[in-house]
Amino acid sequence: QVQLVESGGGVVQPGRSLRLSCTASGFIFSSYGMHWVRQAPGKGLEWVAVIWFDGNNKYYGDSVKGRFTISRDNWKNTLYLQMNSLRAEDTAVYYCAREAAQLDFDYWGQGTLVTVSS
Amino acid sequence: DIQMTQSPSSLSASIGDRVTITCRASQGIRDDLGWYQQKPGKAPKRLIYAASSLQSGVPSRFSGSGSGTDFTLTISSLQPEDVATYYCVQYMIYPLIFGGGTKVEIK
Repeated sequence: QVQLVESGGGVVQPGRSLRLSCTASGFIFSSYGMHWVRQAPGKGLEWVAVIWFDGNNKYYGDSVKGRFTISRDNWKNTLYLQMNSLRAEDTAVYYCAREAAQLDFDYWGQGTLVTVSS
Repeated sequence: DIQMTQSPSSLSASIGDRVTITCRASQGIRDDLGWYQQKPGKAPKRLIYAASSLQSGVPSRFSGSGSGTDFTLTISSLQPEDVATYYCVQYMIYPLIFGGGTKVEIK
């Protein structure tokens, strides 16, 4: 069955960096686009970024553009999110999600919490 | 960017009631809209895609309708397990944009 497992979250100081990982199993990872979606505590869902199946196209939400980088390693079945220049407002649970044929999300991981605080 | 306005932000209804949630896009998005259910502490779950297609395994009391700018999620007979927050999302164009969410409670 499809499984997505995020890791790498934790507490980080403002201005520092953190890299999240999402390990996929149960499907042909290299055939699917992948997304990151986040949710600040008590708030709604916010789309962060997408990377196409082959890694050749990437798009970002306005609030993270220029600070975050999405990437993937299709040999390792792993999706990444490199987060630089972190701010308090980046505090959230970060989910990875598989892109469905219709281009929305059909499977989600359980999420990893990132807390940006001094 | 496209804006997604979801209403109401919360509602309280009785078991068996018909519940309707709406989402309005600031510009036409064809039928490139999905609906998700999120229970506390859990990841979102896909309910509806392409505005009106029911995700496999989702109870038939959930349905979606609409096209262009106005969309609706309907729960035909509210059940206790439907207590959750519901989100729409447009995926016609980047950036993908979620609605603000609708919290559904039992009266």
